[in-house]
Amino acid sequence: GAGVSQSPRYKVAKRGQDVALRCDPISGHVSLFWYQQALGQGPEFLTYFQNEAQLDKSGLPSDRFFAERPEGSVSTLKIQRTQQEDSAVYLCASSFGTIIEQFFGPGTRLTVL
Amino acid sequence: AQSVTQLDSHVSVSEGTPVLLRCNYSSSYSPSLFWYVQHPNKGLQLLLKYTSAATLVKGINGFEAEFKKSETSFHLTKPSAHMSDAAEYFCVVINTGTASKLTFGTGTRLQVTL
Repeated sequence: GAGVSQSPRYKVAKRGQDVALRCDPISGHVSLFWYQQALGQGPEFLTYFQNEAQLDKSGLPSDRFFAERPEGSVSTLKIQRTQQEDSAVYLCASSFGTIIEQFFGPGTRLTVL
Repeated sequence: AQSVTQLDSHVSVSEGTPVLLRCNYSSSYSPSLFWYVQHPNKGLQLLLKYTSAATLVKGINGFEAEFKKSETSFHLTKPSAHMSDAAEYFCVVINTGTASKLTFGTGTRLQVTL
């Protein structure tokens, strides 16, 4: 069945470039989450949407990071003026309503040169 | 704030022997706890979850975990390791009151040898 999908799977950016990472959640899932996983670490929370409302963005590391979900389905994580420390795997997860189990996508591996 | 501590960064076992991956949690509220597995180049997969029902939780692929409030632990076990179990395992906590972000441990890499 259809799970959470993310694109691109791999992205290489030069320092200073802007990037956009896309997440397609499972159909009908109202909650969507973004996590950042640095090499050798566990994922860390970035931001959370319920439908189109961004309810928690406390994990975004700087104002260069911006996420949106304008129609309550697909979400985009944008990173402006990328830095080397932004290199990580960016994971998207979705869940249905108040059910707390989150389903994860395969991630986008971002490498900033 | 909630947190989890995975006591071992790396565990190596022989195929057919028991697996024990240790996790301790800290939470101000009644926590929900999870174990996720991450195989190389694959997404995180839920192994099992504890949500204040039975303290012994059975998951997929023969894994189980026991919630022990007195010890603030949620250790993951499996009676007999298989080569396919080699992966990274994450203990995760979420506060049931917030029902939002997951807090991950740093992970335990399980190696299974012949």
